[in-house]
Amino acid sequence: AQRVTQPEKLLSVFKGAPVELKCNYSYSGSPELFWYVQYSRQRLQLLLRHISRESIKGFTADLNKGETSFHLKKPFAQEEDSAMYYCAVGGIGGFKTIFGAGTRLFVKA
Amino acid sequence: EAGVVQSPRYKIIEKKQPVAFWCNPISGHNTLYWYLQNLGQGPELLIRYENEEAVDDSQLPKDRFSAERLKGVDSTLKIQPAELGDSAVYLCASSLDRSGELFFGEGSRLTVL
Repeated sequence: AQRVTQPEKLLSVFKGAPVELKCNYSYSGSPELFWYVQYSRQRLQLLLRHISRESIKGFTADLNKGETSFHLKKPFAQEEDSAMYYCAVGGIGGFKTIFGAGTRLFVKA
Repeated sequence: EAGVVQSPRYKIIEKKQPVAFWCNPISGHNTLYWYLQNLGQGPELLIRYENEEAVDDSQLPKDRFSAERLKGVDSTLKIQPAELGDSAVYLCASSLDRSGELFFGEGSRLTVL
């Protein structure tokens, strides 16, 4: 079955601390992996995708095919990082994208 | 660029009443999606269109839900009759063919009383 698991519903860290949002997936074939973010009162938007291998707003995510994980990391969290983060998995071209339940990140001053 | 536009933003109806949501995707985006998002959950795909064709509607409850995308641009999602459990946010998204990135609208929040 195709599934995306984000084990933490809420993650609270202090400003300047490292942060890691976990994502594990089960998907047949060769999926594309994404992280979407929703800031307060804003629409859901793409943060990064594994195929581009970019660092966006200081965030990176490494695909571990052996562990079927795609954890999102940032070495020094900022207050403006507080948001809802969704891990997503899709087929080639992003078709039939499946989302995890999301993790709310709260960065405390 | 206005992005994906959805209306209405909020709708409150009595159960058994009909409701319709409208979506205008980003110009040039051939692929359009309707997602359902329940409280505390991630978006779940209801239907995906490639131009006018519904290429994936396996998760759409067809007894009460219907959708259309006439002329391959705007789309309408309808619920008739609405049930209490339909209370949720209905998200519309669009993408370029095979680009992978989904562009979301602000969503339509439905409350069924």
